[in-house]
Amino acid sequence: SELTQDPAVSVALGQTVRITCQGDSLRGYYATWYRQKPGQAPVLVIYGKNNRPSGIPDRFSGSASGTTAFLTITGAQAEDEADYYCSSRDTSVNLRLAFGGGTKLTVL
Amino acid sequence: QVQLHQSGPGLVKPSETLSLSCRVSGGSITSSSWNWIRQPPGKGLEWIGLMFNSGFTNYNQSLSSRVSMSLDTSKDQFSLTLTSVTAADTAIYYCATLHCSSVTCYIDHWGQGILVIVSS
Repeated sequence: SELTQDPAVSVALGQTVRITCQGDSLRGYYATWYRQKPGQAPVLVIYGKNNRPSGIPDRFSGSASGTTAFLTITGAQAEDEADYYCSSRDTSVNLRLAFGGGTKLTVL
Repeated sequence: QVQLHQSGPGLVKPSETLSLSCRVSGGSITSSSWNWIRQPPGKGLEWIGLMFNSGFTNYNQSLSSRVSMSLDTSKDQFSLTLTSVTAADTAIYYCATLHCSSVTCYIDHWGQGILVIVSS
């Protein structure tokens, strides 16, 4: 399955930003979101319908509509500047995963 | 807290075989599922494949002819093998946990990553 993300998005400090992920698999499966800062491994941010692991601030939220998933950051902070990747599982018969190309978020 | 400790060579010659291991601490290797992901320098994440603790495996179709994974429960370790490597296989390789349900899959623990360079 193919997942498409905008390569780059910017947001003013304290404002709200929405990062999108499009793909046919998202019609049947929830997207998972990861944040990756330079030189570090990715970190899980959102999984399932809208679940945050412990340690992820509640300004991060996930939603979906049709074949598009959204990661929303409400009140972006400087430390949110990073690359964000979406991921989804494939069909139920062939359990495979795929990642989107990533979105570089710049906080201005 | 599960921790993943990766090991393996940082340099592999073209046409040879890349072999990496991932040792699990803070948990049992039989209590989860596992996968490998790679990231070419400056590029995005690419999923390589998964292994359930039952031994079931599934791979990225673009790599399936060259990749295999295995589990060693006696060492709490799982491994990746990629044959006939080329420069295009140069990447940071990550091992990671995997949790899947009927509606989603997610990774909540990652290894530290190993940069593998394919070069003569």
